[in-house]
Amino acid sequence: SQWGEENLQALSIQEGEDVTMNCSYKTYTTVVQWYRQKSGKGPAQLILIRSNEREKRSGRLRATLDTSSQSSSLSITGTLATDTAVYFCATDDSGYNKLTFGKGTVLLVSP
Amino acid sequence: NAGVIQTPRHKVTGKGQEATLWCEPISGHSAVFWYRQTIVQGLEFLTYFRNQAPIDDSGMPKERFSAQMPNQSHSTLKIQSTQPQDSAVYLCASSLDLKGRGSDYTFGSGTRLLVI
Repeated sequence: SQWGEENLQALSIQEGEDVTMNCSYKTYTTVVQWYRQKSGKGPAQLILIRSNEREKRSGRLRATLDTSSQSSSLSITGTLATDTAVYFCATDDSGYNKLTFGKGTVLLVSP
Repeated sequence: NAGVIQTPRHKVTGKGQEATLWCEPISGHSAVFWYRQTIVQGLEFLTYFRNQAPIDDSGMPKERFSAQMPNQSHSTLKIQSTQPQDSAVYLCASSLDLKGRGSDYTFGSGTRLLVI
């Protein structure tokens, strides 16, 4: 999982498999955002889940949020080679979208 | 919509030189953010403008770094007397700045700065 003093995590899977990435955060947040960053690009927002939501879906993506344990997860079903990227979770305790990012999870999906 | 545009994409400077990085936010976005990304530190917040006004620069190194937003169509990040430890990817992001929303947060592709 991401956050704190943890190093960058890495996962290597085969195309078609499902994967779940975890994130824990330390401070209050109104929202958890999940981003994907491909090589040479900036992070792209995938899913935004608010503190009053437990789950959010978007296509093959599913994010969960547990405010009691201050943790979130991002699941991808039926992964594709094009899902290869670094995935970040980010929180906002400022109320104005000043984001604090986790260390990230490197996902490698082999064809 | 061309997205957030950052120029240059790559910049190499000699130690002690000045570097200016440019960001053009998405038209109509009133909030502009700068972040720095390194392998060791990850993504770190630097500074934030709302309607061109500096709101939060708590992430900016107090010496040598400065940011401005002279008009709604561009922001600059200037690093004076660059040092090797300034080498990083500098990312700009913009959003509509709807409090607590953030669903339209968009990053540029970044400027990769190398100080030699």
